[in-house]
Order: sequence, then structure tokens, then C-alpha cells
Amino acid sequence: DVKVTQSSRYLVKRTGEKVFLECVQDMDHENMFWYRQDPGLGLRLIYFSYDVKMKEKGDIPEGYSVSREKKERFSLILESASTNQTSMYLCASSLSSGGTDTQYFGPGTRLTVL
Amino acid sequence: GQNIDQPTEMTATEGAIVQINCTYQTSGFNGLFWYQQHAGEAPTFLSYNVLDGLEEKGRFSSFLSRSKGYSYLLLKELQMKDSASYLCAVRDSYYNQGGKLIFGQGTELSVKP
Repeated sequence: DVKVTQSSRYLVKRTGEKVFLECVQDMDHENMFWYRQDPGLGLRLIYFSYDVKMKEKGDIPEGYSVSREKKERFSLILESASTNQTSMYLCASSLSSGGTDTQYFGPGTRLTVL
Repeated sequence: GQNIDQPTEMTATEGAIVQINCTYQTSGFNGLFWYQQHAGEAPTFLSYNVLDGLEEKGRFSSFLSRSKGYSYLLLKELQMKDSASYLCAVRDSYYNQGGKLIFGQGTELSVKP
């Protein structure tokens, strides 16, 4: 079974803090994704990566950056957390970019910025 | 632009059949996915359609019409545990690298006894 893990289930930070969210997958997947999920807005893609050290902006990259130094690990960084970044953050990975290869999701990190 | 529409909420009775619709407008198309997400949990994969027609998997079936930009998820013999949010997602071939998906807002299904 594919396993995608995220470093924290719940996180509380203060405005202006630098926040790191870590995601690790154990199935040698090429692609990794970071989403945020908010009521009424669904899943929105922040950044994704299709190879080590490669990153692409998603639909809402502002205020975020990412790092992929190793294939299995994809980190989301909030440079200076703000209250509007309070959300559920979901990491996902997929084997390839086509066919039936679906995305597998981690359990999510609920981030609250005070 | 890219747009995926699905109803916000639906209610159905245990043992009944429910159909959740999804319409999409995307610049390209390379597959449509349905996911199930229970409250507080991660989405999990349910089905995949890339060709027109019906795909059946136990109590769940998914249909696709590419010419109409339309899909539905059919849930039969509803059980209380089927209460969840159902997400429709399209892989837009224009963004093929990385296999990016575009998600709808999700349909919250409540199954009543």
C-alpha cells in the first residue's frame, strides 16, 4: 500500500512565523503535490513537483514556497505565516503523469495561524 | 477557463441509489477521477474514466461523456458509511507534466436511516 505521511496533524503558529510542513511518500512516486482545502473552495493546488529539485506553481502559490531535495520528500514553507493561511493542508503523490495513476493523499495538517 | 461543477449537498436514504453529477470545462482532457473524503480524513480514490461509458466497481459506478463534458458517480444500496464528500477531478492534458488535477468543490452526501 502506498503511504503518504505528513509531519503534523495539527499545528498552531503565530502571525509572521516561518512554518515548515513536511510530506514523505514511500512508493518511489515521481510527482508530489501540495493542496489547501477550505470550506466552499474545495482543493486548490499550491505547488507541485514532477522530479527532484523541480517545482511548478499551482493555482495559489503566493505566500508559499516548496523544496524537493529528495524524491520521497516534499516540503511546503510558509515564509511569514498570516491568518488567511489558516487551512487544511494536504500532500499527495502519484507514480506518473498519465493513465490510471491516481494521486494518493496524506492525512492532512490542520494549520491555525493566530 | 477551467471549471468543474458539482452540487454542494445531497441527501439520500439508506438502501437507495444516488447519482452525483459533475460537469467540466477544461482546455484539455486526459481522464476524470472520483474521490471519497470522510470528514477529517484524506481523499481516497474511487474511480477513473478516460473513455466514454460506464465503469462499474461493486456498489459504485462512474459514467463519462466527453462530448458533453459530463460525468456522474452512481452509488447503489447506500449505507450509512457512504456519508462523505465526493470530489470530481479532471486531469487537464495541457498540464500533462506532473499529472496535475483540477478539483471540483465536492458534493457532501448525507445518508439518512
